[in-house]
Amino acid sequence: SQQGEEDPQALSIQEGENATMNCSYKTSINNLQWYRQNSGRGLVHLILIRSNEREKHSGRLRVTLDTSKKSSSLLITASRAADTASYFCATDGGWETSGSRLTFGEGTQLTVNP
Amino acid sequence: DAGITQSPRHKVTETGTPVTLRCHQTENHRYMYWYRQDPGHGLRLIHYSYGVKDTDKGEVSDGYSVSRSKTEDFLLTLESATSSQTSVYFCAISGIQGAGGEQYFGPGTRLTVT
Repeated sequence: SQQGEEDPQALSIQEGENATMNCSYKTSINNLQWYRQNSGRGLVHLILIRSNEREKHSGRLRVTLDTSKKSSSLLITASRAADTASYFCATDGGWETSGSRLTFGEGTQLTVNP
Repeated sequence: DAGITQSPRHKVTETGTPVTLRCHQTENHRYMYWYRQDPGHGLRLIHYSYGVKDTDKGEVSDGYSVSRSKTEDFLLTLESATSSQTSVYFCAISGIQGAGGEQYFGPGTRLTVT
């Protein structure tokens, strides 16, 4: 079964608004990663947050991690039409749990309307 | 962009025929992965490799085999294709931080089994 579950499954906003996507997982993790996928393309790594980190920024992206709630959120500020894509969280459960392989969620489809 | 190519990019085949998909990297990364992506399931790991001739099963390995005779090439073989293997297949590689680190994805192969 999938480790990560994204919420919502789909999100539609206007350009300039902020977009927030959430990811919940079930077991302890070494790190959690967010990826983006444009339609018909491969996934692109956005950001990695380690289990001992609570917040991380990269440009317009802000990721938080709450290990006590086993959840993470991805915030995209001042969204643009070019941010339209699917966003996936992926968890590394560590060697004991998952052989350090990533487990992906089903993704959130973000649509940013011009 | 990471140097990862997949071939073929599109393939239509008949049930019962063998199919081989190729992943080629120019990054000299140790870890390579094959995933399938289906609606409602996100990405699921089929097989992965942690070195030349070193491979292991993922969560959906039945009906698939892999080989890695060179660092740069990772082959996925559907021994006898079935309609349930109609999917988009992605290859990914992982760098010196090892399995669980950020992964770089190829462009995908869309396989249709009729």
